[in-house]
Amino acid sequence: SQKIEQNSEALNIQEGKTATLTCNYTNYSPAYLQWYRQDPGRGPVFLLLIRENEKEKRKERLKVTFDTTLKQSLFHITASQPADSATYLCALDGGNFNKFYFGSGTKLNVKP
Amino acid sequence: SQTIHQWPATLVQPVGSPLSLECTVEGTSNPNLYWYRQAAGRGLQLLFYSVGIGQISSEVPQNLSASRPQDRQFILSSKKLLLSDSGFYLCAWSSGYLAEQYFGPGTRLTVT
Repeated sequence: SQKIEQNSEALNIQEGKTATLTCNYTNYSPAYLQWYRQDPGRGPVFLLLIRENEKEKRKERLKVTFDTTLKQSLFHITASQPADSATYLCALDGGNFNKFYFGSGTKLNVKP
Repeated sequence: SQTIHQWPATLVQPVGSPLSLECTVEGTSNPNLYWYRQAAGRGLQLLFYSVGIGQISSEVPQNLSASRPQDRQFILSSKKLLLSDSGFYLCAWSSGYLAEQYFGPGTRLTVT
């Protein structure tokens, strides 16, 4: 099975700065990787998907990179806002395309 | 548009009692369906997934079971709950390969 590591310590940054979150995985390389946002007591909400043959994907203030050599994905939020405060989860396909494995998430705190 | 429903929102059950959680999806057909459990402060653990009616794949050995009696209905059950079954249960659907997952509002289960 896949082992997925996200920084368990909360990331505290100042409003306006860029937040960078890390997702590392072991074992097989996934065909694609996803990032989700989860607010307390709510289900995760999809943000971005990146395929193994894509190095970078952008959506508004969000950017995801995927380095299959390092077995790592980075998730960036530029010009961060207090409303970006949440837990961010990465998810990898589970070797077949019908299941996913999630990391434990990193909590982001953006201070005004 | 598609909608996913889960109920109940919260549930308090004694050890040894049965469990039935229901999830339904509207506005799509033949979705992949998923049950996840999230312990406090932890990531999502995939419990079951289904790619069609009557087709259930189990990820983690446990005293839980899942059924898919209709295309857009997914049920999570237990005959006898354990304390360790407490958690936040999330149902999700996706349309398949390279597709994001959409999560329901979740059920907070406390086993006492």
